[in-house]
Amino acid sequence: AQSVAQPEDQVNVAEGNPLTVKCTYSVSGNPYLFWYVQYPNRGLQFLLKYITGDNLVKGSYGFEAEFNKSQTSFHLKKPSALVSDSALYFCAVRDPFSGGYNKLIFGAGTRLAVHP
Amino acid sequence: ETGVTQTPRHLVMGMTNKKSLKCEQHLGHNAMYWYKQSAKKPLELMFVYSLEERVENNSVPSRFSPECPNSSHLFLHLHTLQPEDSALYLCASRTSSNTGELFFGEGSRLTVL
Repeated sequence: AQSVAQPEDQVNVAEGNPLTVKCTYSVSGNPYLFWYVQYPNRGLQFLLKYITGDNLVKGSYGFEAEFNKSQTSFHLKKPSALVSDSALYFCAVRDPFSGGYNKLIFGAGTRLAVHP
Repeated sequence: ETGVTQTPRHLVMGMTNKKSLKCEQHLGHNAMYWYKQSAKKPLELMFVYSLEERVENNSVPSRFSPECPNSSHLFLHLHTLQPEDSALYLCASRTSSNTGELFFGEGSRLTVL
């Protein structure tokens, strides 16, 4: 079965420090991977995606993610965290059997707390 | 703003009420989705419409009834809901590209009393 795992319910980081939010996946074939962020009482906002090409993907708000095929991981990273980065982060993978309508399978989410 | 607008943002209803959630996208997309987000659970895909045709109904109870009158509008009609249906309901849209990301609305927070 296709799945996404976010092993940490919460990540705590001091402002200015680098942050990593972990994601691993299990999917048939080549994965299409996505990261989304959700601020309180808001919908999900797209951050970045990996489809093919360079394993290091750059996205919005200074975030980047590294695709690692051998470890089936797609960890989200940022060199220097901001308090305003505190939010809920979701990793997602495209269901390869979803035909043309791009069904996404989401992880359970990781809450990022950045402390001043 | 993502270009996907959901109304109402908050809704409180009794178990015998009939209400509807509305989603409108201004992005020219041709696929629209309803997701359910409950506390401590992953996002659940409920329905997918592609070119106004329902292409997925993810074992959703019949008390939830979607409607897609055109490619810009999506409704979720609610009838005789249960308290466990209380959740954030998210609408999303996407282009025809199968590598395209979803654009989400702000969500409708539903509370069933």
